[in-house]
Amino acid sequence: QKEVEQDPGPLSVPEGAIVSLNCTYSNSAFQYFMWYRQYSRKGPELLMYTYSSGNKEDGRFTAQVDKSSKYISLFIRDSQPSDSATYLCAMSGGYNKLIFGAGTRLAVHP
Amino acid sequence: ETGVTQTPRHLVMGMTNKKSLKCEQHLGHNAMYWYKQSAKKPLELMFVYNFKEQTENNSVPSRFSPECPNSSHLFLHLHTLQPEDSALYLCASSPEKGQGAFGNTIYFGEGSWLTVV
Repeated sequence: QKEVEQDPGPLSVPEGAIVSLNCTYSNSAFQYFMWYRQYSRKGPELLMYTYSSGNKEDGRFTAQVDKSSKYISLFIRDSQPSDSATYLCAMSGGYNKLIFGAGTRLAVHP
Repeated sequence: ETGVTQTPRHLVMGMTNKKSLKCEQHLGHNAMYWYKQSAKKPLELMFVYNFKEQTENNSVPSRFSPECPNSSHLFLHLHTLQPEDSALYLCASSPEKGQGAFGNTIYFGEGSWLTVV
């Protein structure tokens, strides 16, 4: 079993839709959770950072962590074509290395 | 501009060539990393440097040789590579070594696309 599972997609949605991206994990020691966005042929950029359980909102983006279910989500409201990218979840237990998901490719069409 | 600059952005090399990838970070971070990204696979951590000392080598073949002359610069020397080494190589940095802990987030460069022919 992989430590982090992420559906690779592609996920195709119309502009304005609410997008839900998810990752599941197996290591209960994880407590730091991140979402990175990676545009085509670019490096990943940090989008959201959360610690432990709960929600965090930043503009159109909401990150949600459910440690009891070992499940994290990223919601994008009012999705735009500029949101088309690959979204990587990443997590760590502290001073160990970050474990990344394989990424979900999202396409938002006008 | 992420504060982490990688050169070259694209590199095509033969299996007998020797080349190097360069990374420079302008963020004042103490830890630097090399990652490999292949299609549809998670990012693979290759090497970790903390205060220019190598602290982690994740069973990377010796045909990849890292060098960290100071906390701002990182190189990846390549020799006798195989076609399966073709990938995006990402350099990254973070304030300290612990990845993700207590806000110690990782910042990536744009990557170097390597094709081995």
